Amino acid sequence: DQQVKQNSPSLSVQEGRISILNCDYTNSMFDYFLWYKKYPAEGPTFLISISSIKDKNEDGRFTVFLNKSAKHLSLHIVPSQPGDSAVYFCAASAGGGSYIPTFGRGTSLIVHP
Amino acid sequence: DSGVTQTPKHLITATGQRVTLRCSPRSGDLSVYWYQQSLDQGLQFLIHYYNGEERAKGNILERFSAQQFPDLHSELNLSSLELGDSALYFCASSLGTHAAEKLFFGSGTQLSVL
Repeated sequence: DQQVKQNSPSLSVQEGRISILNCDYTNSMFDYFLWYKKYPAEGPTFLISISSIKDKNEDGRFTVFLNKSAKHLSLHIVPSQPGDSAVYFCAASAGGGSYIPTFGRGTSLIVHP
Repeated sequence: DSGVTQTPKHLITATGQRVTLRCSPRSGDLSVYWYQQSLDQGLQFLIHYYNGEERAKGNILERFSAQQFPDLHSELNLSSLELGDSALYFCASSLGTHAAEKLFFGSGTQLSVL
């Protein structure tokens, strides 16, 4: 039973355009959401996060939106650059004893020059 | 460079064998997590240690075991290996155990069981 779902295995975008990566979750106890980026032959690296008390968090070209009622979050990258080509993982965790992050299967983003 | 070191980077072995994966966390981090990534699968949580103590277990098989040593490095032991154990194994570290903490990942150990 996947508690964190990234339903799009891959996404292809033109350089300069917006990339939107989606993530859905089923556990209403989740209150922290993190995005990680992974290049080939490297481990995932933290990109941006959001807590459930917010609906938007921005860091440079990266913005994460959270819709708690829909149990949905999205990562927007504007403008997309070829160096953004990577696998993006969505992760969620809860306070208390459920602090272990649960990861989605990832979305492979390819940004074409 | 995340500061987390995993060795070896690649491991090729045969079914029925036993291997040990090693992880050195980032300086100052007390938490070590182990994750498994199989083909087309996300990162599956295996086990978590904090300051030498096991704190949480995920989908870890009984054939697998781990420990965290006093110097905070951790080892993941995989025994009676099967073909299906072939995967990328990641170690990650963090300072503590708060749900909002970001994890710092090593570059992984690619295990191939033939």
